[in-house]
Amino acid sequence: QVQLQESGPGLVKPSETLSLTCAVSGYSISSGYYWGWIRQPPGKGLEWIGSIYHSGSTYYNPSLKSRVTISVDTSKNQFSLKLSSVTAADTAVYYCARHRGNWYFDLWGRGTLVTVSS
Amino acid sequence: QSALTQPASVSGSPGQSITISCTGTSSDVGGYNYVSWYQQHPGKAPKLMIYDVSKRPSGVSNRFSGSKSGNTASLTISGLQAEDEADYYCCSYAGSSTFVVFGGGTKLTVL
Repeated sequence: QVQLQESGPGLVKPSETLSLTCAVSGYSISSGYYWGWIRQPPGKGLEWIGSIYHSGSTYYNPSLKSRVTISVDTSKNQFSLKLSSVTAADTAVYYCARHRGNWYFDLWGRGTLVTVSS
Repeated sequence: QSALTQPASVSGSPGQSITISCTGTSSDVGGYNYVSWYQQHPGKAPKLMIYDVSKRPSGVSNRFSGSKSGNTASLTISGLQAEDEADYYCCSYAGSSTFVVFGGGTKLTVL
């Protein structure tokens, strides 16, 4: 079955760049769908960060757009998130997820906790 | 502050029905039939329960149903079971500038 798995450093220093990768298994990214990132600060709600279409078109949360880059590597069947100039407010569980054009997220990774601290 | 407004908590006894509301604006909930609902148990990833306002994915119990009236969407759970105790989040498409917004989440307690 289709699975998503996040990976990346669990600790990032303030002002540095957070980098995460989502590996997709059981489905070829280049076959379709949108692929997104969503985060959840400890004890708080969900926040959509951004998404990428298999063709490479990107869509970002306006409140994070200036700091976010999402890219796709079809050869490795994975997509990635970079969030620059992080602060403690960026501490969260980061999820990768799949969605369709009507913007419902039907498949999620297990999530990875990223802590921003010196 | 979340873009969509949900009650912080709701509760019900086993076998009862509960409804969780999700209030937005004409720019999101009211403007599109692209409302989805997610269930999240502690320490777990969210799970899609309802999409396109009222459609259920394969494998989701028919005790879960969704609806929308104006700028407010609703999730109804009938025949409450202990396993339904979780956090629930609504989500809506919000146009080609904002794209996606979530509600703040509702904690469901099964008494």
